[in-house]
Amino acid sequence: DVKVTQSSRYLVKRTGEKVFLECVQDMDHENMFWYRQDPGLGLRLIYFSYDVKMKEKGDIPEGYSVSREKKERFSLILESTSTNQTSMYLCATRTGRSYNEQFFGPGTRLTVL
Amino acid sequence: AQKVTQAQTEISVVEKEDVTLDCVYETRDTTYYLFWYKQPPSGELVFLIRRNSFDEQNEISGRYSWNFQKSTSSFNFTITASQVVDSAVYFCALSISLTGANNLFFGTGTRLTVIP
Repeated sequence: DVKVTQSSRYLVKRTGEKVFLECVQDMDHENMFWYRQDPGLGLRLIYFSYDVKMKEKGDIPEGYSVSREKKERFSLILESTSTNQTSMYLCATRTGRSYNEQFFGPGTRLTVL
Repeated sequence: AQKVTQAQTEISVVEKEDVTLDCVYETRDTTYYLFWYKQPPSGELVFLIRRNSFDEQNEISGRYSWNFQKSTSSFNFTITASQVVDSAVYFCALSISLTGANNLFFGTGTRLTVIP
């Protein structure tokens, strides 16, 4: 079974703090994704990576950056958090082409005060 | 442009009732894939089904069935004899076959509550 883990389930930060959200997968998938989920908006793609050190912007990359130094690990970085980044953050992985399903982690609910 | 519409924001049914979750998609691509995912209260999205644009056969898996109609650009999901464990948020998603790019477009989800 594919296992996707995320470093925290719940996180509370203050405005301006730096946040690292880490995602680790154990299935050797090339592709990894970061989404945020907000009520009424569904899932929106922040960034994705199709290989180590490779990344591409998704639909809402502003205010975020990512790092993929190893194949199994994909980090989402919020350099200076703001209240509008309060959200559920979901990591996903996928092998091969876009017609394959994505496997999701349990999510991190981030609250920025 | 690609778009997925799930017009039903929330649905409540009594246990053992049948329920259909609607999904309407838009794309100009002729090759595409449609997905349904379930997000239980634990938060992790779980893959349920994938359909490609060339296969309009309906599918049944236990109490779940999917109706894909290209003529109406719909990919509806029916749960027969609903159970409390079916309570979750359900997402429909569309993927198009662009090389080198991610292209999974999600609807806004339908929250299903099954009342015992």
